[in-house]
Amino acid sequence: AQKVTQAQTEISVVEKEDVTLDCVYETRDTTYYLFWYKQPPSGELVFLIRRNSFDEQNEISGRYSWNFQKSTSSFNFTITASQVVDSAVYFCALSEVGRTDSWGKFQFGAGTQVVVTP
Amino acid sequence: DGGITQSPKYLFRKEGQNVTLSCEQNLNHDAMYWYRQDPGQGLRLIYYSQIVNDFQKGDIAEGYSVSREKKESFPLTVTSAQKNPTAFYLCASSPRGDSNQPQHFGDGTRLSIL
Repeated sequence: AQKVTQAQTEISVVEKEDVTLDCVYETRDTTYYLFWYKQPPSGELVFLIRRNSFDEQNEISGRYSWNFQKSTSSFNFTITASQVVDSAVYFCALSEVGRTDSWGKFQFGAGTQVVVTP
Repeated sequence: DGGITQSPKYLFRKEGQNVTLSCEQNLNHDAMYWYRQDPGQGLRLIYYSQIVNDFQKGDIAEGYSVSREKKESFPLTVTSAQKNPTAFYLCASSPRGDSNQPQHFGDGTRLSIL
């Protein structure tokens, strides 16, 4: 069963528009971690943020912001005033703590391709 | 600079041939991982190792093998038993195999069938 769902396959925006990427996860654990990664065309995944299940504070880092809502099992990511350099595939990932066989293992969503045009 | 080096960047395999993908890290990380990425899909875990001389199967281990003889190295062999090996392969590492540790990734190896 898919534990991390990124329903948006591709989002196209014009530069300076805001874009929000959805991530919905599924877990029975009370302790877990959520991550966002960026994959530019070069292929390497770049770590953006980690959030633990007990910290529902939203976070802002420059033009990036994250909205974590346990009630809806969502961890959405917004890029404000998008730029061409934001064009990439973005992955959401879940890491569960409760079970020994899932310890340290990430479950990735399918990714959302963001295309920002000038 | 510390990081993860994957080689080669592109690899071609003939039918019935085994090929080995290299992954080296100088981050002094204990845990290392191999993922496969197919178009339109997320990353799927092939094998992982939380410590030297130990490794476990991930979700799609069939047709693959690994070794972890040194802390800094975690090579992946794609065997002839893997019938659909064409994909992008990513190696990652983390300080420990803890669930809260971000994984750091290499640039990947793109494997194709001749």
